Amino acid sequence: GVTQSPTHLIKTRGQQVTLRCSSQSGHNTVSWYQQALGQGPQFIFQYYREEENGRGNFPPRFSGLQFPNDSSELNVNALELDDSALYLCASSRDSNSPLHFGNGTRLTVT
Amino acid sequence: GESVGLHLPTLSVQEGDNSIINCAYSNSASDYFIWYKQESGKGPQFIIDIRSNMDKRQGQRVTVLLNKTVKHLSLQIAATQPGDSAVYFCAENIGAGGTSYGKLTFGQGTILTVHP
Repeated sequence: GVTQSPTHLIKTRGQQVTLRCSSQSGHNTVSWYQQALGQGPQFIFQYYREEENGRGNFPPRFSGLQFPNDSSELNVNALELDDSALYLCASSRDSNSPLHFGNGTRLTVT
Repeated sequence: GESVGLHLPTLSVQEGDNSIINCAYSNSASDYFIWYKQESGKGPQFIIDIRSNMDKRQGQRVTVLLNKTVKHLSLQIAATQPGDSAVYFCAENIGAGGTSYGKLTFGQGTILTVHP
């Protein structure tokens, strides 16, 4: 399945954070979502074969990387209090297959 | 922007009953829909999906119905069990031309509680 690390993280406003994800083997599409408490996940961006392939309504301080070894990263610079949320990584076999999610990283910004 | 929404934020049922969770969508161009179950402390778990060229799709104990005329989606769970208690999300594809199902717009979720 999809695994994410760390499971929980506490950062201070203004800091930078890197969240990591390991996709299911052979999945070439990775998407990242932000889920605020009590809400549905919101699409941040998607990577396909190591290239960004679509972005939601998130500022440039949210960036990502996808690597050939089924791993990917979400980086957030200049953290704000409102960035506190559950960050979900999801992967799919291809662009026409359903997304499968990891259990997320709970980020708290103080 | 257009979005997916749910009619009922909470649903309580007795074990063994059938459950129906409803969802309204507003983007008539959406061509792919998917239901997820999310338990506390976990990520969304795929339940079932349906493409817009279908009206109905069945899985194990679950059925998804799509009514494109009124832009309505529903998830039916047969013989609901306590283990089905969770938050259920519907989502629609926002990828151009339905070629990328990784870009989803989620509804707000419905809390399903199953009483033994």
